[in-house]
Amino acid sequence: GESVGLHLPTLSVQEGDNSIINCAYSNSASDYFIWYKQESGKGPQFIIDIRSNMDKRQGQRVTVLLNKTVKHLSLQIAATQPGDSAVYFCAVLYNQGGKLIFGQGTELSVKP
Amino acid sequence: GAGVSQSPRYKVAKRGQDVALRCDPISGHVSLFWYQQALGQGPEFLTYFQNEAQLDKSGLPSDRFFAERPEGSVSTLKIQRTQQEDSAVYLCASSLGGRTRGRGNYGYTFGSGTRLTVV
Repeated sequence: GESVGLHLPTLSVQEGDNSIINCAYSNSASDYFIWYKQESGKGPQFIIDIRSNMDKRQGQRVTVLLNKTVKHLSLQIAATQPGDSAVYFCAVLYNQGGKLIFGQGTELSVKP
Repeated sequence: GAGVSQSPRYKVAKRGQDVALRCDPISGHVSLFWYQQALGQGPEFLTYFQNEAQLDKSGLPSDRFFAERPEGSVSTLKIQRTQQEDSAVYLCASSLGGRTRGRGNYGYTFGSGTRLTVV
């Protein structure tokens, strides 16, 4: 099977700083990875994804890095803002079009 | 509507009571997923439909849990004889289904969930 873990349950950063949230996965055959943001009382919201044939993908203020050698995934948020405060989950697609396996989440707090 | 709609938003049930949670997916979305999210945890897969066919129910924790999608649109998750350990947020997600080559997210959109509290 697949398991997904995160290194830190909480992360506190100063507004304007960069944030890095890490994730590890177990199955070397995994080929699709997603980062979600979840605010209180809401469902997970898609941030960015990456396929295993890439090692980096950039979005608006966010970058996902994939290291397949050590089975590690990270999310970088540039110039973190108070609105970025939320719980962040990485998820791995278990099979094409099928279920997602989520990590336990990192709660990001942004101090003004 | 434009998103995935779940009802009720909150449900308090007495232990032993049966509950039914509803999910209205995005119109035209073929795939529908149910996840269970305990407090402070990541969502855990329960079951998956493609149209009306339930293709994977490996995540249902016991035979007290039952899901259906009879017409390939609205889905209901039913929990019989609720127990305190069933207390969680139940999330529904839908997607267009199949591999969406060149597009991100496989088109998964989550609803806001139903928070079930069993007392």
